[in-house]
Formats: sequence, C-alpha cells, structure tokens
Amino acid sequence: EADIYQTPRYLVIGTGKKITLECSQTMGHDKMYWYQQDPGMELHLIHYSYGVNSTEKGDLSSESTVSRIRTEHFPLTLESARPSHTSQYLCASSEMFLDRGIPYEQYFGPGTRLTVT
Amino acid sequence: GENVEQHPSTLSVQEGDSAVIKCTYSDSASNYFPWYKQELGKRPQLIIDIRSNVGEKKDQRIAVTLNKTAKHFSLHITETQPEDSAVYFCAARRSGGYQKVTFGIGTKLQVIP
Repeated sequence: EADIYQTPRYLVIGTGKKITLECSQTMGHDKMYWYQQDPGMELHLIHYSYGVNSTEKGDLSSESTVSRIRTEHFPLTLESARPSHTSQYLCASSEMFLDRGIPYEQYFGPGTRLTVT
Repeated sequence: GENVEQHPSTLSVQEGDSAVIKCTYSDSASNYFPWYKQELGKRPQLIIDIRSNVGEKKDQRIAVTLNKTAKHFSLHITETQPEDSAVYFCAARRSGGYQKVTFGIGTKLQVIP
C-alpha cells in the first residue's frame, strides 16, 4: 500500500548527540517536506525538496540538514541535538503539479516525537 | 510570499451545532485551498479542498466556501459530533510545480457532548 513512513516514532536522546530522522514514501511523489510541530500547534516548514538533489530551507530557521539522494527518501539530520530541538517532526510528500487532474494533497507521515534531555 | 491568517484559534460548540472557521490569504495568484484535520496524536489529513474556479464545495456535513475577491475562504461543519474535535488547518498555494503550500496557524475545535 502506498504510504509515507517515518522512523523512529519516538526518540529520547541526550544533548550533543547526532541523530537522523528517516522518511520514506512509496507514493511516487517528487515533492517532500519536513515540518516541525509542537502538539496541537502550528505547522512550521523547515525543509522541502522538489526532487533528487534538490533541497530548500523552509520558513522556520532550523539547525537541521536534509538530503535527497533517492526520490523516495528524505532524511533529516541534527548534528548536535539540544533541548530546544524537542518537538514533533512531520514528513510529508505531494505531487508537483496542481493541474494534472489528480489529487494534489500533501500526505503526512505519522511523525517522530523527539525529546532531547 | 503568501500569508494565511486563520481564526479563531480555539472554538467550542455544543454537539449538533455548526462550526465555522475562517481564513484569509494575501497572494491573489493562489488558486488551491485545502483543509486538513489533525486529531490528537495523529497526522494531518486532507478533509476537503477547493480550487479557485469554484465558489463552494460540499461533502456531507463539511463545506468550504471561497470568495476570491475578498481573498477569504471558510470551512463549515454542520451537525457537529464529538469525533469532529480536532485541530483544523487551512492552507493556500499557487499552481506551478515550484510553489509551496502555506498553512494557517490552526483552529482547535472542541465539540461538547
């Protein structure tokens, strides 16, 4: 079944550690996104990608980095985790073009809840 | 860039009453307006969307209206039920592959049984 997957779902890690949050989609989508969201609060776009080897910074400044080496894979890395990075991270994907007559909606992954102690 | 304002930020209604959430956008070239529902602890999911060539769209108890001249769009939920309790996000974007979706800040809807 086509879907978007994130691992781990929950992560508790100490300050200073390097972490990578994984995101994979089997939707065949070119566009992928990372959002940071505190529970029930606003969605903050931190990174997005239009396709392989394309990455852009989002509206909210983030110390994380992303890569897009394969269409289906869009991992997010924090080189040195800090307590201020504690949040939920949502990955999403979508079609590129609105006017193909096919659904354009963003499909969200289940999220990774990160706690940095 | 696009700016989407959403209000109210919180909304409480009695079960069976209607709920209305309003959004305004700034970019007159925006032509796609989705609404997402996020239940507690779950991922956001699309519930309805509207394109700029349409003024209203309905799906059972949910409807969305769009006023392009005034640059605002609204979500209407009739006969609310406890399972409608969630955070609702509006969004806007232009057509064209290299355009981003801009989300509103979200509205926390509580339906009181």
